[in-house]
Amino acid sequence: EDQVTQSPEALRLQEGESSSLNCSYTVSGLRGLFWYRQDPGKGPEFLFTLYSAGEEKEKERLKATLTKKESFLHITAPKPEDSATYLCAAELYGQNFVFGPGTRLSVLP
Amino acid sequence: NAGVTQTPKFRVLKTGQSMTLLCAQDMNHEYMYWYRQDPGMGLRLIHYSVGEGTTAKGEVPDGYNVSRLKKQNFLLGLESAAPSQTSVYFCASSYLPGSGANVLTFGAGSRLTVL
Repeated sequence: EDQVTQSPEALRLQEGESSSLNCSYTVSGLRGLFWYRQDPGKGPEFLFTLYSAGEEKEKERLKATLTKKESFLHITAPKPEDSATYLCAAELYGQNFVFGPGTRLSVLP
Repeated sequence: NAGVTQTPKFRVLKTGQSMTLLCAQDMNHEYMYWYRQDPGMGLRLIHYSVGEGTTAKGEVPDGYNVSRLKKQNFLLGLESAAPSQTSVYFCASSYLPGSGANVLTFGAGSRLTVL
């Protein structure tokens, strides 16, 4: 069964305290690994797509990396405005997406 | 560009009532999707459409119907609502997969409560 899990479920950081979110996937055929950000009461917004192991992408304080079994979202020196739920999703060949349950990040000033 | 617009944003139904959620996109996207989001679970695909006049079942289609009569609109119907259908519903759209990243653009969501 195709499955995507995320850890931790929730994470509280002090402003400036760097950390990483984990996305582990067990799928039959991975076409791409996506990261989305979701603010309360809103729909998910696209952050990154990764296609091959070893690939990295950066955007401001966020960096996403990919291995054959998992992806990490590294957050460097976070600010309160980075508080959100971060979703990862595996796009499968010939099928649609399998979403993880998300990590709820809170960055305290 | 409005992107993806969902109506209504909130709705309360009684068990057995019917309703329709409307999704409209102005990006000329071919693909459209309906997901539901429940606490502690990932987004789950209900139905999707690969173009005007076509629909297909997703992971959790039971109790729902859809129609795509126009390219820009995708309707989700509940014929006889049940408390298990209490959820937040998200519509999304994308370009044809296979042409680069299949980035989903989501609406703001529709919160449905079935009493």
